[in-house]
Amino acid sequence: GQNIDQPTEMTATEGAIVQINCTYQTSGFNGLFWYQQHAGEAPTFLSYNVLDGLEEKGRFSSFLSRSKGYSYLLLKELQMKDSASYLCAVPSGGSYIPTFGRGTSLIVHP
Amino acid sequence: DSGVTQTPKHLITATGQRVTLRCSPRSGDLSVYWYQQSLDQGLQFLIQYYNGEERAKGNILERFSAQQFPDLHSELNLSSLELGDSALYFCASSVRWGLATDTQYFGPGTRLTVL
Repeated sequence: GQNIDQPTEMTATEGAIVQINCTYQTSGFNGLFWYQQHAGEAPTFLSYNVLDGLEEKGRFSSFLSRSKGYSYLLLKELQMKDSASYLCAVPSGGSYIPTFGRGTSLIVHP
Repeated sequence: DSGVTQTPKHLITATGQRVTLRCSPRSGDLSVYWYQQSLDQGLQFLIQYYNGEERAKGNILERFSAQQFPDLHSELNLSSLELGDSALYFCASSVRWGLATDTQYFGPGTRLTVL
């Protein structure tokens, strides 16, 4: 089995930087996904990390440390439209189906 | 727009009834996944089909069933509905199956309300 932990809610100011953490425990590791989900809408793919280190994609970056069972999503130059839930998902070693964390609700205020 | 379509967008029904949710995957995708999302449970995997065959099963109740047709669209059937089945139901698709690296693309969801 596996366990995924993310903070329930975070708030930040427009223009700032925010880091959303995810810790996981899994019997095997096949990579980690981050998805963004606006309220009532579909999750949309943000990033996939399988190797340690930081991957940058525009204003969003994702970091992975396999030895620590830890990842974070870094959002820079926050915009109001970044207010959403951010889901961390990990396929367990025996399966290719990702298990999703409960998500971190990010509120960006002016 | 992910390219995955789902109908209907909203569904309101009564306890004990049966409903069918429909999903069409992105062009070229052979795998279809069904998820349930409720406020207290988060996004839960239900079942996956690849090219018409069931490939993986998650926390799917016996009252629920699914299938994938030759044209690759899929239907999720929910029967003997209970109040607790009220949730958002998402369909996702991917190109292959069996690869953890395969990104899933989600449809807009069907919001089911059971009264």
